[in-house]
Amino acid sequence: DTEVTQTPKHLVMGMTNKKSLKCEQHMGHRAMYWYKQKAKKPPELMFVYSYEKLSINESVPSRFSPECPNSSLLNLHLHALQPEDSALYLCASSHLGRGRDTGELFFGEGSRLTVL
Amino acid sequence: QKEVEQDPGPLSVPEGAIVSLNCTYSNSAFQYFMWYRQYSRKGPELLMYTYSSGNKEDGRFTAQVDKSSKYISLFIRDSQPSDSATYLCAKCMEYGNKLVFGAGTILRVKS
Repeated sequence: DTEVTQTPKHLVMGMTNKKSLKCEQHMGHRAMYWYKQKAKKPPELMFVYSYEKLSINESVPSRFSPECPNSSLLNLHLHALQPEDSALYLCASSHLGRGRDTGELFFGEGSRLTVL
Repeated sequence: QKEVEQDPGPLSVPEGAIVSLNCTYSNSAFQYFMWYRQYSRKGPELLMYTYSSGNKEDGRFTAQVDKSSKYISLFIRDSQPSDSATYLCAKCMEYGNKLVFGAGTILRVKS
């Protein structure tokens, strides 16, 4: 079982709804990530948090708003989404710094989002 | 040209076969490479991680990097139906663990 826990596993929302995806890890990792994955495509990076600060934003629309309340938690707030935003949203975590930037990411099971 | 190129398959093999999965990359900086396995409707699972040229073995899995040709491979020996999944190669692009994934190869092992 993965040590990165994502909730909810499935989410259906309308275009006017506000919802949040949550991610938690207790491996002591100081980097956390949000990826978006469409069917039969590889994961695409959205955001990276390093030491609880946003370090990478891959030009993601503002209707996606990340938040890192502490070193174990990562949220993705969703508002006014479009049907094309329907996808699997993956959270990941990794060690960071001092030669540990090796790309070894540990992924959660994902939250499958459907926007109606 | 994409940073990491991978044939999406599908690749279909009989049980017990040796499977060879391959990727090429273009950027020689940050030579960390990963293979992830993803079952349907699940998150990617880290299988193998390699740095620099040469082989790395873990059970039935061997990861190989050839820097001269910018080629990375994953070999699966004695393939099992449970190995049926999508295999994603990935390369670390810079500090901060920025990964770029290949397209993923769908593998089907038939019993």
